[in-house]
Amino acid sequence: GAGVSQTPSNKVTEKGKYVELRCDPISGHTALYWYRQSLGQGPEFLIYFQGTGAADDSGLPNDRFFAVRPEGSVSTLKIQRTERGDSAVYLCASSLRGTSGGTHSTDTQYFGPGTRLTVL
Amino acid sequence: KQEVTQIPAALSVPEGENLVLNCSFTDSAIYNLQWFRQDPGKGLTSLLLIQSSQREQTSGRLNASLDKSSGRSTLYIAASQPGDSATYLCAVRPESGGSYIPTFGRGTSLIVHP
Repeated sequence: GAGVSQTPSNKVTEKGKYVELRCDPISGHTALYWYRQSLGQGPEFLIYFQGTGAADDSGLPNDRFFAVRPEGSVSTLKIQRTERGDSAVYLCASSLRGTSGGTHSTDTQYFGPGTRLTVL
Repeated sequence: KQEVTQIPAALSVPEGENLVLNCSFTDSAIYNLQWFRQDPGKGLTSLLLIQSSQREQTSGRLNASLDKSSGRSTLYIAASQPGDSATYLCAVRPESGGSYIPTFGRGTSLIVHP
């Protein structure tokens, strides 16, 4: 079946511009995660959705970053007034369930191929 | 704050060698540890997941061990092949607190040459 898809695969923009990155999770997956991976680093958590709501946005670096998941499936990561330091690969992952009520889910996260963002 | 370190950062070996990749973490209060593979321009693919109560997991030529008390995990790759060339990442999930978000290491970049 179809995996997690992300569009665009590459995005080049100028400093100060606004960008939107899209993630299509695996159908039926309730949990969706956004990560940012800089060159030579591991993925760093940005935000986690359980259904339509942001269950944890503690990884968003500042208020220029925002994400939505209005219908509980597709999610969009939005970055305002982009800076050169925002250049990275933005990864999306989904899992069948997330965590709720303080309980763990051992579901594997399935990752998309990422969007490579370059801010000039 | 959990910190995950992977050694070596890069490795280049001839085909057929047995390999050991290392992952260490500073906070032993983990729920599980997972090894991923990342190919250039691709996302992460899960290889093995070890629960905190387990000592090891095996899948084909891969074997991952976990020593929770000492904060260490190793990924053993037997009879390496050129197709094993990729970056290998480990990630740990905390035992409690928040949304149990995993912390990743920086990865080991592996090249297996024919």
